[in-house]
Amino acid sequence: QVQLMQSGAEVRTPGSSVKVSCKASGGTFNTYTVSWVRQAPGQGLEWMGGIVPLFGTTNYAQNFQDRVTITADISTASVYMELNSLTFGDTAIYYCATEGALRGDYNWFDPWGQGTLVTVSS
Amino acid sequence: IQLTQSPSSLSASVGDRVTITCQASQAITNFLNWYQQKPGKAPKLLIYDAYMLQKGAPSRFSASGFGTDFTFTITSLQPEDVATYYCQQYGDSHPLTFGGGTTVDLK
Repeated sequence: QVQLMQSGAEVRTPGSSVKVSCKASGGTFNTYTVSWVRQAPGQGLEWMGGIVPLFGTTNYAQNFQDRVTITADISTASVYMELNSLTFGDTAIYYCATEGALRGDYNWFDPWGQGTLVTVSS
Repeated sequence: IQLTQSPSSLSASVGDRVTITCQASQAITNFLNWYQQKPGKAPKLLIYDAYMLQKGAPSRFSASGFGTDFTFTITSLQPEDVATYYCQQYGDSHPLTFGGGTTVDLK
């Protein structure tokens, strides 16, 4: 069973960028989709986009298409999410999650990483 | 595709039957999943493909539905079920979306 470990909390100023990592252990996710989901304080869940690490093929939600880049490094079993032009509204917990169906498409999310808090503050 | 969950919150007693609904803005066949999220934790998959119980999830959790209308049920509420529950769809078109969540607490 794959386990996902995310990088630690970040603090950024408005207009800057942040890059969060998600490392897999205990299995491979090279041909399965890995998604990023964010949750603003006290709010619901929002899918940002995802990637198939082996092929580098990405899908982004329209809300984030212009500001997010998701990449993968299969040599380190890691996926990265970079968000640019940060605003106060980007303060949130960012989760990575792999697909549960193990067929290389977007279906259900299992397992999840522990989450990374990104705080945007001046 | 928008998912409308109701109610947004509910209070129930231990042993009660709890039902949450999730309505999709367009038909998504059975491409609907349910998660439980406890405070400070990542969401946890409970149900996939509308009614399939995830391995390890307690059998008091069940769900049904097809097309646009879906239901999630806890047959006998336990103290450890206090959490927020989300539906999520993966219909034909991106983006994947979540319902607004239902917070369940004890009366």
